Amino acid sequence: SAVISQKPSRDICQRGTSLTIQCQVDSQVTMMFWYRQQPGQSLTLIATANQGSEATYESGFVIDKFPISRPNLTFSTLTVSNMSPEDSSIYLCSVRLAEGAGTQYFGPGTRLLVL
Amino acid sequence: AQTVTQSQPEMSVQEAETVTLSCTYDTSESDYYLFWYKQPPSRQMILVIRQEAYKQQNATENRFSVNFQKAAKSFSLKISDSQLGDAAMYFCAYRSGGAGGTSYGKLTFGQGTILTVHP
Repeated sequence: SAVISQKPSRDICQRGTSLTIQCQVDSQVTMMFWYRQQPGQSLTLIATANQGSEATYESGFVIDKFPISRPNLTFSTLTVSNMSPEDSSIYLCSVRLAEGAGTQYFGPGTRLLVL
Repeated sequence: AQTVTQSQPEMSVQEAETVTLSCTYDTSESDYYLFWYKQPPSRQMILVIRQEAYKQQNATENRFSVNFQKAAKSFSLKISDSQLGDAAMYFCAYRSGGAGGTSYGKLTFGQGTILTVHP
């Protein structure tokens, strides 16, 4: 398994501002992902964070709104830009290990409230 | 595109009894993985059990077992001897097993089932 930490664990932000969420893993992983969970909803994939290159975004998500970095195999950041109340969600980092094909683990999530 | 459907928004069970959560999925792929995740009020996503599509044997993890019906595209979770700590939202998820492609590594989740355990 993997130990995944996220910072911050929660935040309250004003509309129009930006927040950067950090994800740190205790071991090298092949793939890192960012998911969004809106209140009372299921998880939706935002993007796959690619090491050293631009992230791969899912339909409905764009780089200008959710810029992602992944400088190495254990760390990634997700920025939520120009926030509005509709961005209030839980943002979760997820990783797939280099070994153990098929298993994905999740970080504890960042709970974001935009006023 | 793959879809995952959980038709039970809420389920309840008495402590020590057995409950089954339903999940169906739609895919044209033959190589894939299926998962059940648990999300308690802490919001931490916890892997409960996984099943490889190429394995005919149903996966089991202690009190948790699955009934995997590949032809019917059904993947139900059975929780035996239910405990108060089992109360959570349960998500069924699908992942393609093929290397490469736009869906590689992507988990597709169902809508979730809220499980309540009564003492």
